[in-house]
Amino acid sequence: QKEVEQDPGPLSVPEGAIVSLNCTYSNSAFQYFMWYRQYSRKGPELLMYTYSSGNKEDGRFTAQVDKSSKYISLFIRDSQPSDSATYLCAMSAGAGNNRKLIWGLGTSLAVNP
Amino acid sequence: GAVVSQHPSRVICKSGTSVKIECRSLDFQATTMFWYRQFPKKSLMLMATSNEGSKATYEQGVEKDKFLINHASLTLSTLTVTSAHPEDSSFYICSAKGLILDEQYFGPGTRLTVT
Repeated sequence: QKEVEQDPGPLSVPEGAIVSLNCTYSNSAFQYFMWYRQYSRKGPELLMYTYSSGNKEDGRFTAQVDKSSKYISLFIRDSQPSDSATYLCAMSAGAGNNRKLIWGLGTSLAVNP
Repeated sequence: GAVVSQHPSRVICKSGTSVKIECRSLDFQATTMFWYRQFPKKSLMLMATSNEGSKATYEQGVEKDKFLINHASLTLSTLTVTSAHPEDSSFYICSAKGLILDEQYFGPGTRLTVT
């Protein structure tokens, strides 16, 4: 079993839809959770980061962490064609500057006008 | 804030030559930087962790003599692919560790093609 599982999709939705992206994980030591967006042939861009459980909202984006279920989600409201990209979840545990991020495979999202 | 640049964005080289890729944190000091490799439609593969002023820590299976990493200052890390071969062709991305949590800020990537 991989430490982080993420459905690669592709996910196709109409413009304006609410998008739900999810990751599950197996390591209960993970405490920091991140969502990145990556456009084709570009470096990933940090969208959201959260520590421990709870929700965090930033504009049209909401990140949720449920540590009891080992499940994290990213919601995108009023999706736009410009949201079409690959979304990667990442998480970490441990201590020190060398703390690595463990990555999901990424979910490919297409928002159709 | 938290901008990371990478140079060059694209490079084509002949087999057997060496290529250097630079990664710079433009508006913050990064004591830790990371180098990743990404194959088409695949997730990021961590190659090594680079700490300013010390030797890099390589992931299992990554040849440290082939992928030389230098982190000489708080804003610059370099990756040199030595004696490049066609199988080294890939998308190389660097990141710098943020100051708040474990977030990483990524450069735009370098597309390396070895002919």
